[in-house]
Amino acid sequence: DVKVTQSSRYLVKRTGEKVFLECVQDMDHENMFWYRQDPGLGLRLIYFSYDVKMKEKGDIPEGYSVSREKKERFSLILESASTNQTSMYLCASSLSPGIAWGYTFGSGTRLTVV
Amino acid sequence: GESVGLHLPTLSVQEGDNSIINCAYSNSASDYFIWYKQESGKGPQFIIDIRSNMDKRQGQRVTVLLNKTVKHLSLQIAATQPGDSAVYFCAETAALSGGYNKLIFGAGTRLAVHP
Repeated sequence: DVKVTQSSRYLVKRTGEKVFLECVQDMDHENMFWYRQDPGLGLRLIYFSYDVKMKEKGDIPEGYSVSREKKERFSLILESASTNQTSMYLCASSLSPGIAWGYTFGSGTRLTVV
Repeated sequence: GESVGLHLPTLSVQEGDNSIINCAYSNSASDYFIWYKQESGKGPQFIIDIRSNMDKRQGQRVTVLLNKTVKHLSLQIAATQPGDSAVYFCAETAALSGGYNKLIFGAGTRLAVHP
């Protein structure tokens, strides 16, 4: 089975801290995505990457950046955490570029910014 | 703008009954729709998909119906079981530059199955 692993299930950070959320997939997938999930809003795309060192902004990139130095790893960075970034963060990967199916999601990281 | 929405945020059903979860979408250019199931503490998992050139697709105990005239999608679960309790999301595709696509998710419906 494809596995997408998010390094932390729960994180508590202070306002202004720089936060790194790590995601690793083990199936050589080309595409990786970061979403945040908030009640009543569903999943919203923050950033995505279709190749190593490639990144594209999603729908809500403000306050975030990403890094993809290796194919299997896609990191989400909160440059200066704020309380409105308290959320569930979900990483996903998929095999085929240009085809929006076959996503495999990680279990999520619940981030609380205090 | 683009949006995918759900009519009911919470659905309660008796075990053994059939469940119907509804979804409205706004992007008439979408050509692919997916239903995901998210259990507590887990990421969303693929259930079933349908392309815009179809109006019905069946899986094991699940059926997805697509009505492009009214831009409506539904997920039917037959003989609902306690293990079906979860949040269900519909998603539609949206085209990006360069020939890529992204998924746009709805807000989700919580399905609660009672014995």
